[in-house]
Amino acid sequence: EVQLVESGGGLVKPGGSLRLSCAASGFTFSNFAMNWVRQAPGKGLEWVSAIGGGGDMTYYADSVKGRFTVSRDNSKNSLFLQMNGLRAEDTALYYCAKKVGGIAMAGFDSWGQGILVTVSS
Amino acid sequence: DIVLTQSPATLSLSPGERATLSCRASQSVSTFLAWYQQKTGQAPRLLIYDASNRAFGIPERFSGSGSETDFSLTISSLEPEDFAVYFCQYRSIRPPGFGFGPGTKVDI
Repeated sequence: EVQLVESGGGLVKPGGSLRLSCAASGFTFSNFAMNWVRQAPGKGLEWVSAIGGGGDMTYYADSVKGRFTVSRDNSKNSLFLQMNGLRAEDTALYYCAKKVGGIAMAGFDSWGQGILVTVSS
Repeated sequence: DIVLTQSPATLSLSPGERATLSCRASQSVSTFLAWYQQKTGQAPRLLIYDASNRAFGIPERFSGSGSETDFSLTISSLEPEDFAVYFCQYRSIRPPGFGFGPGTKVDI
């Protein structure tokens, strides 16, 4: 069974930093691209970042480019999101999500339970 | 940037009725479109990937269709557990990335 478990969230002041982690199990982690998606309270879904299976290709939404860095450690089946220069508008529930495999192009077929990040003074 | 528009914003139906949800892209996304269901307090659940392929374990009453800019999700006969918010999502190749529509709430 695929499991994704996020950790590392919390309350941080504007301008501060946090590092989110996502522990993966139940699948061959290195074979799949992974993503971070966030959801502000009561709002819709926003894609944040993606990383290829090997970790060499990374992509970001314009809203976080230059402030957030995605990485992975395939030896530890772990995904990370380093968030710097946090703003109030970064307050959200952050999900890690696994891209659907094979030749499929669009879809995230497994999601964690989410971790809350609150940016407030 | 590609913008997804979902309609209607809210769909009020009864169990047993047919639901048709629309997702329109501001430019072609080929068939690189997915649909998700989200219930309150839960993570999204993938229903359809690549426009028309049901994800593993998804009941046959869910179906997706469309290509380029116009897509739809159909629930053939609503079950009580289907009342939720539904999001569409595109994948872009150039520039690489993803985006979500604002959602359609299906309620009683």
